Amino acid sequence: DIQMTQSPSTLSASVGDRVIITCRASENIKSFLNWYQQKPGKAPKLLIYAAASLETGVPSRFTGSGSGTDFALTVSSLQPEDFATYYCQQSSRTPWTFGRGTTVELK
Amino acid sequence: QVHLVQSGTEVRKPGSSVKVSCTASGSTFRNFAISWVRQAPGQGLEWMGRILPIFGTADYAPKFQGRVTITADESTSTAYMELSSLNSNDTAIYYCADGGGGLDPWGQGTLVTVSS
Repeated sequence: DIQMTQSPSTLSASVGDRVIITCRASENIKSFLNWYQQKPGKAPKLLIYAAASLETGVPSRFTGSGSGTDFALTVSSLQPEDFATYYCQQSSRTPWTFGRGTTVELK
Repeated sequence: QVHLVQSGTEVRKPGSSVKVSCTASGSTFRNFAISWVRQAPGQGLEWMGRILPIFGTADYAPKFQGRVTITADESTSTAYMELSSLNSNDTAIYYCADGGGGLDPWGQGTLVTVSS
């Protein structure tokens, strides 16, 4: 299985901060990398697909970058509704695998 | 707009099985690629497997191979996930989701509790 390593596991930030979450794959997954946001009690929501494509309706403050094994999700200016847990997921080959998640909390 | 609706909460005893449904609307069912993802309490997301109704074939994560069966009924636009030989570690919310790579949309989730 492809291992996905996310960091940090927890990130403390303030409204307006620029935050970066990284994700590393255990092998080359080209651009088959997706990012999700999950809030408590809710299903995950797709933010970014194919490493850098913004899902329809997702604010432009979210950007994805990277290819191969190293990827990043950047939030340019954190908003109150962005405090949540974020997951990366590879869809290069099955079994699809997720990172362990990054919780963005209020500093 | 594609929409997925799952069946309700289940409680099962250890050793038994559970079957969760996921009914799709808003697009031709044959165009869907339904994955099942679970989330244990306080834990992360775990992909279990998927089915492509257009082919009727499913593939599974090795961890669940032999214990999970994913099927689809085109006549009702419904996908099913059946998990057998349940134990307490299978207590989780089970989600269905559509997509060939990025998963969207997701069902609302089905809580399965395994307890004696």
